Amino acid sequence: QLVLTQSPSASASLGASVKLTCTLSSGHSSYAIAWHQQQPEKGPRYLMKLNSDGSHSKGDGIPDRFSGSSSGAERYLTISSLQSEDEADYYCQTWGTGMVVFGGGTKLTVL
Amino acid sequence: QLQLQESGPGLVKPSETLSLTCTVSGGSISSSSYYWGWIRQPPGKGLEWIGSIYYSGSTYYNPSLKSRVTISVDTSKNQFSLKLSSVTAADTAVYYCARSFRWLLLFDYWGQGTLVTVSS
Repeated sequence: QLVLTQSPSASASLGASVKLTCTLSSGHSSYAIAWHQQQPEKGPRYLMKLNSDGSHSKGDGIPDRFSGSSSGAERYLTISSLQSEDEADYYCQTWGTGMVVFGGGTKLTVL
Repeated sequence: QLQLQESGPGLVKPSETLSLTCTVSGGSISSSSYYWGWIRQPPGKGLEWIGSIYYSGSTYYNPSLKSRVTISVDTSKNQFSLKLSSVTAADTAVYYCARSFRWLLLFDYWGQGTLVTVSS
């Protein structure tokens, strides 16, 4: 079964960097994913598509501070030079065998 | 710039059918490169995919909702629609429409969402 696992929460200081993780279930380590950001009281915003080899393509207007990488079944979103507006929920998403799957989301707090 | 806008009643009675429409502007829903989808988010919870449709009418549905869901497309109006039957309070959520790549169904543009409350 295709499942995406995310830690429920993360925190980092203003100006620092943070790396969020999304883990694909066993047997699905080759799958591409998308990362989405959802700021408080707003709809989701597409950040990037991230392939298993770590290559990624970002959405319109996404700052260079956002980057993606991969290792095995892990997909990472790194945000550098954290700003207050980066405080948000981050969801990973994938697709397989006729089914779209979302991770449970990670709530990022900027200290 | 592509824009998606959800519309429809904000209040639906239990056992009735929820109906929403997504209007696409700044791009053609008939593009061969994309699927168009519905996603919902109950208050305080995560995202749940409902289903997706291609301009030709080909669909994918979430198995957990499939028996109650119909998604259709109207290319002449550049719109696609959602119908969810026999609703209960558990269907109360913000409903989003979104565009996805045809071959991967990863969403790359989202609407702003519309809150639908199920209550008598």
